Amino acid sequence: LAKTTQPISMDSYEGQEVNITCSHNNIATNDYITWYQQFPSQGPRFIIQGYKTKVTNEVASLFIPADRKSSTLSLPRVSLSDTAVYYCLVGDAAGANNLFFGTGTRLTVIP
Amino acid sequence: GAVVSQHPSWVICKSGTSVKIECRSLDFQATTMFWYRQFPKQSLMLMATSNEGSKATYEQGVEKDKFLINHASLTLSTLTVTSAHPEDSSFYICSARDLAGVETDTQYFGPGTRLTVL
Repeated sequence: LAKTTQPISMDSYEGQEVNITCSHNNIATNDYITWYQQFPSQGPRFIIQGYKTKVTNEVASLFIPADRKSSTLSLPRVSLSDTAVYYCLVGDAAGANNLFFGTGTRLTVIP
Repeated sequence: GAVVSQHPSWVICKSGTSVKIECRSLDFQATTMFWYRQFPKQSLMLMATSNEGSKATYEQGVEKDKFLINHASLTLSTLTVTSAHPEDSSFYICSARDLAGVETDTQYFGPGTRLTVL
């Protein structure tokens, strides 16, 4: 079971780029890395998923180094509405291991 | 994209009563759904895995006789909290796995159900 470690909280000013790093030292060969965003009293929302190198979509980028023991979620030019908790999960294609949430990172965007 | 709904979004009940929460995958079929519980300021905790047509698999420490799960169809799973007590008050979230989706084995989460037991 690949355990993840993230900073508990981060603060950022509006308009800045925010990078949240997740450590997953015992990630398995078949594991993918998935990031979710959660607002208070809502279910988590899928942000991005990757296996290696870099993945980019309309809301974020995900950077994964060659050893895959960590990953970094990058949010460009954050706004107040990006204030939320961000979780990274790792799991294989069969999905047996990507069900366990770590502490997540509480991002607070400051005006 | 894949949408998961939950009903009700919130419920208040008296201690000792039972409450049923529904989880539906609206635009895809889900042979597997998951139930989580989240207490204030804490992370999501997996309670059980719901498998269509078979018994649910419960995580350690979760009472299967208290949290009854039924996955009767490919789009519906229900969680019944039996004989609810105030300590069962929590935010219950379901998710469904879209194996045919673009992303590999991604979970899609419902909006959650806030249960308050008086």
